[in-house]
Parts: sequence; C-alpha cells; structure tokens
Amino acid sequence: SAVISQKPSRDICQRGTSLTIQCQVDSQVTMMFWYRQQPGQSLTLIATANQGSEATYESGFVIDKFPISRPNLTFSTLTVSNMSPEDSSIYLCSVGDANEKLFFGSGTQLSVL
Amino acid sequence: GESVGLHLPTLSVQEGDNSIINCAYSNSASDYFIWYKQESGKGPQFIIDIRSNMDKRQGQRVTVLLNKTVKHLSLQIAATQPGDSAVYFCAEYRRWSSASKIIFGSGTRLSIRP
Repeated sequence: SAVISQKPSRDICQRGTSLTIQCQVDSQVTMMFWYRQQPGQSLTLIATANQGSEATYESGFVIDKFPISRPNLTFSTLTVSNMSPEDSSIYLCSVGDANEKLFFGSGTQLSVL
Repeated sequence: GESVGLHLPTLSVQEGDNSIINCAYSNSASDYFIWYKQESGKGPQFIIDIRSNMDKRQGQRVTVLLNKTVKHLSLQIAATQPGDSAVYFCAEYRRWSSASKIIFGSGTRLSIRP
C-alpha cells in the first residue's frame, strides 16, 4: 500500500486567512482525492485532484474556496481559503491503487478561531 | 439524493462476542463496497471489500455480507477485542465515464465492554 504523508498534521488559524495542506505519496498514483471530516461525522469528498488539469469538485465545493494543485503523480495541495470557524475540520488526502482500494493519510486537523 | 447510510450510530459489545455492523445503500448500480476502520486521530484504514458478484467474503476475523435484493451489507467481527474499538464506515465505489469516487456512509462507533 502507498505511504501518504500529510502536512501540517494540525493547525490553528485566524478567520480570514488561508492554509495550504500538502500531500506527498511515496509512489506514483493515478487517483488522488481530498476529503473533509467534520467533528463526529463521516467523510465528505471535496474533489478529485487530477494530474495536469483542474480538479473535479463535488457539489457544494468550489475552486475559489478550495483551490487544489496536482503538479505530478506523487504530490497535491489543498488550500482552504478565507477561513471561517465553519471550516474547522479534519482534511484528509487519499489515493487509489490499481485495485481501486483507497488509502488515507493521517489528516490535517484544522481549527479556525 | 442517493446515499450510503448506516442503521445504528453506536454499538456496544462485550469483549469476546461477535459484532455486526449494518449498512444500507440506495444506488442499485453500485458494484463495489468497502469497509473502513477509523481509530481516534488516524485516517480510515481499509478492512475488507466485496464486489456485487459475490454475497459473502471473509477475512481474518471479519466477514462482509452483501444482499443486493434489499441493498444491504454488513460487517461481522468475530471474537471482538479491545483493539476493535473504532468507528466503522461502509463506502460505496461509484464510477462513471472515466472517473470514479468513493462515497462514505455515516459511520458506526463500536465500543467494547470488558
């Protein structure tokens, strides 16, 4: 299985600021996804990070709020822009392997004051 | 809209007993399902999966059952241990055109009584 490193592991931010989360994988992967997990809830897919093209966003998520980069097959970033307390959540990077199994990093716990 | 949902949000089981976690799905076209375990402070961890051409699959101490007629799947954990305490999610693999994604259910917290 792929080893996924996510940085930072946690952060406390002021409202109105932006935070960029990095996801590094130890092997080349085709599928890369960003999920959000609000406190006590399940995982909600934010977007699919496409290598070399714009990310594909799910309903309720927009590029201006959650810009995503995917410059190569091992790296992606998610930015949470103009943060508000409602953005306090865990953000998780995940990758899919050739057998369609999904693996996750440990996540970034974000608190917005 | 279509969803993957769980019947019970919490489950308390005596150590050594078997645990059964249930999940209902609504997309009859789904053909691949996965169970994940999430421990506190960690990302979800793959447990077991099943494709729609099967109705049962067994792993180490875990069994997944799929009933396509009623769109229901379950995760059975044999001889539940303290290390099984976690939140369990069923997830549904959806694909269309050249894209695919995994949609998660709401989760069941499993707690173990000594």
